[in-house]
Amino acid sequence: QLQLRESGPGLVKPSETLSLTCTVSGGSISSSSYYWGWIRQPPGKGLEWIGSIYYSGSTYYNPSLKSRVTISVDSSKNQFSLKLSSVTAADTAVYFCARHALGFSSGWYPHWFDPWGQGTLVTVSS
Amino acid sequence: QSVLTQPPSVSAAPGQKVTISCSGSSSNIGDNYVSWYQQLPGTAPKLLIYENNERPSGIPDRFSGSKSGTSATLGITGLQTGDEADYYCGTWDSSLSAGVFGGGTKLTVL
Repeated sequence: QLQLRESGPGLVKPSETLSLTCTVSGGSISSSSYYWGWIRQPPGKGLEWIGSIYYSGSTYYNPSLKSRVTISVDSSKNQFSLKLSSVTAADTAVYFCARHALGFSSGWYPHWFDPWGQGTLVTVSS
Repeated sequence: QSVLTQPPSVSAAPGQKVTISCSGSSSNIGDNYVSWYQQLPGTAPKLLIYENNERPSGIPDRFSGSKSGTSATLGITGLQTGDEADYYCGTWDSSLSAGVFGGGTKLTVL
């Protein structure tokens, strides 16, 4: 059974870079049928997609975050990572990683997330 | 402001049926598959529906999905107190080249 687990610091200072890693177990990150995504949820608010990466390194990013986000993949470790630079208090959220399944509509695009990691709370504060 | 629009809350009595709407545009719902997620308090979201109306294994047939044009609907029949949760719709937006979610709907089973 595929499982994902987020790891990284729970506290980041303003203006610094948030770094998280998602470790995939029970399956290969190099599958051709999936992207691998990051989603966040500020306390008491809804879900926000951050970005997704294919095992080849191809990425899609949320346009509102694109200038600050880098997602990378390490197939040898079955991991993918998120870096979010110049963080502020508005970046405080639970960060989830998830498998992002491809579907064919007007083209092959990632459509649905399953499964999800348990999430990790990242607080931005001095 | 979310790209997809959901009602903030819905409620119904145990045993009854409820529907949750998700409205978008031609570049997202109109052009792509819709998925639905259930988020119980303090937990990660769980996939309920994918490809508009398909249920993953283990999801009871009390949960159903449909799509028409630029809108989608999640239906839940035989409501149980354990269904109290936040529900989110999601899809891909072809114009933005981005994943998008609705703002979420809180279901209360009275």
